[in-house]
Amino acid sequence: GAVVSQHPSRVICKSGTSVKIECRSLDFQATTMFWYRQFPKKSLMLMATSNEGSKATYEQGVEKDKFLINHASLTLSTLTVTSAHPEDSSFYICSARNAGGTGELFFGEGSRLTVL
Amino acid sequence: AQSVTQLGSHVSVSEGALVLLRCNYSSSVPPYLFWYVQYPNQGLQLLLKYTTGATLVKGINGFEAEFKKSETSFHLTKPSAHMSDAAEYFCALIQGAQKLVFGQGTRLTINP
Repeated sequence: GAVVSQHPSRVICKSGTSVKIECRSLDFQATTMFWYRQFPKKSLMLMATSNEGSKATYEQGVEKDKFLINHASLTLSTLTVTSAHPEDSSFYICSARNAGGTGELFFGEGSRLTVL
Repeated sequence: AQSVTQLGSHVSVSEGALVLLRCNYSSSVPPYLFWYVQYPNQGLQLLLKYTTGATLVKGINGFEAEFKKSETSFHLTKPSAHMSDAAEYFCALIQGAQKLVFGQGTRLTINP
């Protein structure tokens, strides 16, 4: 089946630094990818919709300058958490839609960010 | 606005017992509904989905769900729980063209 891969799966960084998380669709092209944030014991909150070749669409309340999203190719979207702070610590999950197939959404394994 | 409500943040059943996870939705248009499972520190895996057609949907790992329009429900069931079913389960629907709206999640615990 279709696979979406996230890297890194875990990252620890110091406060004030920037962290980049990659989301790749391994065997299909994805014109649209989605970035979610999940707090401990909570549901997934959609942060933004990443569109290949254009600007991402952010959900209300999500700081676009804080969470930079780039979707430079049909198989890769990146989320950069800029000037990270401890409150940015969370589990970030991406998903990608197989536009060429059934349109089903596939999820990455998630990336756990810890900001010290 | 469309929404999903999962009744019970935590469900505990004995191994071999029936699993029932409840999901109700609110939607002004015919919904596409999904159940996902999440194991600790992992992403989400699709269990099953309802789009159109047969209202009883069978998924992986012996799970099934029934779409009941009159009750606006899409409850997830499994006849006999296995220890490996312990996980977090999310009900979701598609909003607009492609956004998934998730319920709050239900943590399923299996007692030996």
